[in-house]
Amino acid sequence: SQTIHQWPATLVQPVGSPLSLECTVEGTSNPNLYWYRQAAGRGLQLLFYSVGIGQISSEVPQNLSASRPQDRQFILSSKKLLLSDSGFYLCAARRQGKTEAFFGQGTRLTVV
Amino acid sequence: ELKVEQNPLFLSMQEGKNYTIYCNYSTTSDRLYWYRQDPGKSLESLFVLLSNGAVKQEGRLMASLDTKARLSTLHITAAVHDLSATYFCAVAHRDNYGQNFVFGPGTRLSVLP
Repeated sequence: SQTIHQWPATLVQPVGSPLSLECTVEGTSNPNLYWYRQAAGRGLQLLFYSVGIGQISSEVPQNLSASRPQDRQFILSSKKLLLSDSGFYLCAARRQGKTEAFFGQGTRLTVV
Repeated sequence: ELKVEQNPLFLSMQEGKNYTIYCNYSTTSDRLYWYRQDPGKSLESLFVLLSNGAVKQEGRLMASLDTKARLSTLHITAAVHDLSATYFCAVAHRDNYGQNFVFGPGTRLSVLP
């Protein structure tokens, strides 16, 4: 079975600082990978998804970027955080040929 | 653009009662998912519905899919406090790039003793 690791679990960063959140997947190869953001008390907003190494689709224009340097590694980055970047960031993975997506435990980011 | 709506957004119900959460979506899709989220936690997969007329049941929860009406329901039978959580439906969406998932806004369920 696949396992999705996200770290860190919580993060407090000042406005204007850089960001790097990492997601790694075990137990499957060539998964589709997704980054979602959830603002407090709100639904999930798809930020990026990737069908392979170096292939990133961006859903929402913003100051965030994503990279997939390895098959099972997905990184969410920012050069300068904004207050509005605060939220709960979730990484998800879907195995090729399977229908279901599974989620990591999330990173709670607070920008102060 | 695919839009997914849920109703109600907030639901407070007493233990032992029945209720249904509705999920509507705007464009054709034959794959619908239900997830549960406890406060401060990640999402747990509940059901995957893959065809018109699909019905799945797990404990006190039953999900169904009507692709012609673009409607899925999550029915709660004899609610218990442990079911208190936020429930999301999500619809699979394929574009030129690949497949992603569009989520509804969630239904926050509180089951009161």
